Amino acid sequence: DTEVTQTPKHLVMGMTNKKSLKCEQHMGHRAMYWYKQKAKKPPELMFVYSYEKLSINESVPSRFSPECPNSSLLNLHLHALQPEDSALYLCASSQEWPASRRDGYTFGSGTRLTVV
Amino acid sequence: AQRVTQPEKLLSVFKGAPVELKCNYSYSGSPELFWYVQYSRQRLQLLLRHISRESIKGFTADLNKGETSFHLKKPFAQEEDSAMYYCALSTVDRGSTLGRLYFGRGTQLTVWP
Repeated sequence: DTEVTQTPKHLVMGMTNKKSLKCEQHMGHRAMYWYKQKAKKPPELMFVYSYEKLSINESVPSRFSPECPNSSLLNLHLHALQPEDSALYLCASSQEWPASRRDGYTFGSGTRLTVV
Repeated sequence: AQRVTQPEKLLSVFKGAPVELKCNYSYSGSPELFWYVQYSRQRLQLLLRHISRESIKGFTADLNKGETSFHLKKPFAQEEDSAMYYCALSTVDRGSTLGRLYFGRGTQLTVWP
């Protein structure tokens, strides 16, 4: 398995809802990432997890809460989001953090989130 | 600070025409440069990286350290090349590891029949 799998592919949620995005990989990668991509904009790094510990938090609002329960799984818990949080949320992984030059990064196909 | 600039937001060419997507970067160290492609509603995929010096789907890119550029070129564009192309930079630490990725704003390429 050489993929990063994200579920759900699409999510519509209200501003008072609580939901979670899931990311899974079975490549034995020990680093996982969350990116946010607004329409027609480049991906922006949100969080980096290395060996299930949070390594980087790019000043993301607390309404986004990441969780790494094991080395294959990365969740993003969402609560009290705003309409401007609507975006494509991308998960990525790499063998290690920092990633090696040889292996680089692998991206998932993303969850398209709409906050209404 | 690291910065990646893609001056063209949109680029349109006819099928069979040459295409060049520009990318300039700013970084004081030795960067690693990448081109990623995102077809409509699909995942971000790695297209090229400068260290591999290969041609993928007919695309090539050469790192020009003097001009701090990493332009993506294809001599004969195809309709299936229509996509969003992102240039990205990663810092290199101790020669063997990559830092985080910094993306340019992307260029939407449309190839007309």
